[in-house]
Amino acid sequence: QSALTQPPSASGSPGQSVTISCTGTSSDVGGYNYVSWYQQHPGKAPKLMIYEVSKRPSGVPDRFSGSKSGNTASLTVSGLQAEDEADYYCSSYAGSDYVFGTGTKVTVL
Amino acid sequence: QLQLQESGPGLVKPSETLSLTCTVSGGSISSSSYYWGWIRQPPGKGLEWIGLIHYSGRTYYSPSLKSRVTLSVDTSKNQFSLKLSSVTAADTAVYYCARYSGYKTYYFDYWGQGTLVTVSS
Repeated sequence: QSALTQPPSASGSPGQSVTISCTGTSSDVGGYNYVSWYQQHPGKAPKLMIYEVSKRPSGVPDRFSGSKSGNTASLTVSGLQAEDEADYYCSSYAGSDYVFGTGTKVTVL
Repeated sequence: QLQLQESGPGLVKPSETLSLTCTVSGGSISSSSYYWGWIRQPPGKGLEWIGLIHYSGRTYYSPSLKSRVTLSVDTSKNQFSLKLSSVTAADTAVYYCARYSGYKTYYFDYWGQGTLVTVSS
């Protein structure tokens, strides 16, 4: 199973929105509604931000939202804040496999 | 609050076996609703899923690592372990253990802090 494809970088000014794409195949992203998104700050463990495409765990701000169309999932961060600057990874259930995305570095300008 | 902590040698010689243990506190590893997993991240690179284990012993392994990986669980100690054989420099990474919600939903919700393992002679 190949890694899901994400853009290497994305950026936005404080208060703006940024959207990150995550492209897979019909065997992973397109085949299941089990896409998750993780935020990772430097030197820290990943943190779950979105699961089942669009659900937010308790404590995650509603500025974070997820969606999916076909083989591509997306994470949108609205009202960008300085603390949102981090690496973001998508992931997908793929049957007896589990695959992560290549990662996107989000910069708050 | 559930906590996970990785432990094991930080340096492993090429061709040897990497061994790590994850100790779970604040909850039971014997919950039927969860699997327990390992993920690694080479320096400056992305995340790679290694495998999952249920307290019953059922396992799932990444196809790319399956021939070298063995996961085990010790419910009496609330721990699970990773063994990766025949390591090379490409196995140098931060290794994370995490809880996997694998019953009708699939994601890692609790993570350990990670431990760096370097493969070098």
